[in-house]
Amino acid sequence: AQSVTQLGSHVSVSEGALVLLRCNYSSSVPPYLFWYVQYPNQGLQLLLKYTSAATLVKGINGFEAEFKKSETSFHLTKPSAHMSDAAEYFCAVSKNTGFQKLVFGTGTRLLVSP
Amino acid sequence: GAGVSQSPSNKVTEKGKDVELRCDPISGHTALYWYRQRLGQGLEFLIYFQGNSAPDKSGLPSDRFSAERTGESVSTLTIQRTQQEDSAVYLCASSTTAGGPINEQFFGPGTRLTVL
Repeated sequence: AQSVTQLGSHVSVSEGALVLLRCNYSSSVPPYLFWYVQYPNQGLQLLLKYTSAATLVKGINGFEAEFKKSETSFHLTKPSAHMSDAAEYFCAVSKNTGFQKLVFGTGTRLLVSP
Repeated sequence: GAGVSQSPSNKVTEKGKDVELRCDPISGHTALYWYRQRLGQGLEFLIYFQGNSAPDKSGLPSDRFSAERTGESVSTLTIQRTQQEDSAVYLCASSTTAGGPINEQFFGPGTRLTVL
């Protein structure tokens, strides 16, 4: 079975500050890992994905995440927050073979203050 | 269209009524997924269609839930005898199965279902 834990339902940062959103996974098989962002009244948009190539993955809008097998983590970071980054972020895991059902975390709402 | 579309965007119904939710996937996407997002929770997988293969229904929470898809076109998710715990946002996603080990799922904006 696979699962994802996102620590912190809300994270608040100031504009220009480092963004760190935490994700830990559990998987009995080598996983694929994803970060999605959901802006208000919009569908989910893929930020980045880990598919067993490079452990440091760069995504859109300046976000990146590092896969750490020893820590079973896939934390999302951005060096400098923008107001436009305010949204809900979801970490997800899937198997790396066959049908790719996504198992999502409960989400972290990022708040950015001026 | 340019993306996945879903209708209606909002649906309010009375307990015990049946509802039908619609998803139009991106043209050419052979895979289609339904997820449910309850307030304060992550997305739960409901069902997956891949081309003309038998769907994977392993996520459907009860026999009141069913879904259909004809070929690679529109899908409908039907909830019979709705209960208050069915209140959630229902999200549809589609993907292509061509190219690469994994295919990005593109999500629609969702249908917000409220059962009174």
